[in-house]
Amino acid sequence: AQSVTQPDIHITVSEGASLELRCNYSYGATPYLFWYVQSPGQGLQLLLKYFSGDTLVQGIKGFEAEFKRSQSSFNLRKPSVHWSDAAEYFCADSGAGSYQLTFGKGTKLSVIP
Amino acid sequence: DSGVTQTPKHLITATGQRVTLRCSPRSGDLSVYWYQQSLDQGLQFLIQYYNGEERAKGNILERFSAQQFPDLHSELNLSSLELGDSALYFCASSVAGRDQETQYFGPGTRLLVL
Repeated sequence: AQSVTQPDIHITVSEGASLELRCNYSYGATPYLFWYVQSPGQGLQLLLKYFSGDTLVQGIKGFEAEFKRSQSSFNLRKPSVHWSDAAEYFCADSGAGSYQLTFGKGTKLSVIP
Repeated sequence: DSGVTQTPKHLITATGQRVTLRCSPRSGDLSVYWYQQSLDQGLQFLIQYYNGEERAKGNILERFSAQQFPDLHSELNLSSLELGDSALYFCASSVAGRDQETQYFGPGTRLLVL
């Protein structure tokens, strides 16, 4: 069965610092990978997605992610974090032929001024 | 705003009761998904419908059922509620329910079972 691992439950960064959130997937053949963000009391908003092609994908709000098949990873990055980025971030995988999203447990991001 | 609407936003009920959660997909989307978000289980896929037909089932309890109507809105029915059913229930929609599509999520219905 597919699984998605987000090793960091909670990360705290200073405003203006760079950010990297880790994600590892287990589905071997063709992962279809997503990063979503959930602000308090809100639904899930898609930041970016990867299906194929260029392994560095750009998303909204200045986020990017890099797909590395050799490491089964799809880490999310942002060069300079803003206070408004404080939220919970979820990595998800659907995989070829699967309609459902399998989510990681999420990483809560706190931003200190 | 994703274009997916869910009602109600909050629901408080007692154990043993039955509730219905409603979801309207984005205009033009034919597929609807239901997910449950709880502290211990995280975000879990429950069930998917495409154009009125059930397409995929996940970790959905037998006490739970869903349907998608001809106007494409969907309802999730939860019966014989238990304390452990307290969670945030999300609906998502996509155009055709295929594996490379983006799923757009609604704001969720927060269910509290007392």
